[in-house]
Amino acid sequence: NAGVTQTPKFQVLKTGQSMTLQCAQDMNHNSMYWYRQDPGMGLRLIYYSASEGTTDKGEVPNGYNVSRLNKREFSLRLESAAPSQTSVYFCASSEGFRNTIYFGEGSWLTVV
Amino acid sequence: DAKTTQPPSMDCAEGRAANLPCNHSTISGNEYVYWYRQIHSQGPQYIIHGLKNNETNEMASLIITEDRKSSTLILPHATLRDTAVYYCIVRVNFGNEKLTFGTGTRLTIIP
Repeated sequence: NAGVTQTPKFQVLKTGQSMTLQCAQDMNHNSMYWYRQDPGMGLRLIYYSASEGTTDKGEVPNGYNVSRLNKREFSLRLESAAPSQTSVYFCASSEGFRNTIYFGEGSWLTVV
Repeated sequence: DAKTTQPPSMDCAEGRAANLPCNHSTISGNEYVYWYRQIHSQGPQYIIHGLKNNETNEMASLIITEDRKSSTLILPHATLRDTAVYYCIVRVNFGNEKLTFGTGTRLTIIP
């Protein structure tokens, strides 16, 4: 029972580099989310996808792009990484907005 | 615009009931109260949610005041594994509103 799987778990980037965080869920959920969590702070929503083929901005979308590749997969891309994007990133999914949200284990990203 | 207010930290003795308060004085009639917890840098874990009636599941109980302006999450017999940050969140259960996390309460269970 994998649930929500994120890769990579750890990544170090240099300023200006690009990378993509991958997320997949095996619960046949319609909605998927990307959050970031900075030290000592709560989670902030970056982007979300209500259903396959749709994406929308959350609270802190600047510097990120997303792709809902299919129902299972939702990727987060940093086109030109900045030190301010050093954070822990969580992918999540839910059957719909009215349902419980399930989170992945997180991806630790450091930008130097 | 924080919708909820929680104490930043609490301690509870192992085996005792942990009572975590949350104020949500501006809650609207169609907003639910959700509780999640996050154990040391893991992904947040759903605990329980409710609208106006008290709720209980295998993990916890949720007590919502009659005016719905506050609630209490109760862990009936706290164990060391319950040490975590607990988030109280209010949200509607339809439309495009997403979960918005505050800074939560850091609960430490003391042996």
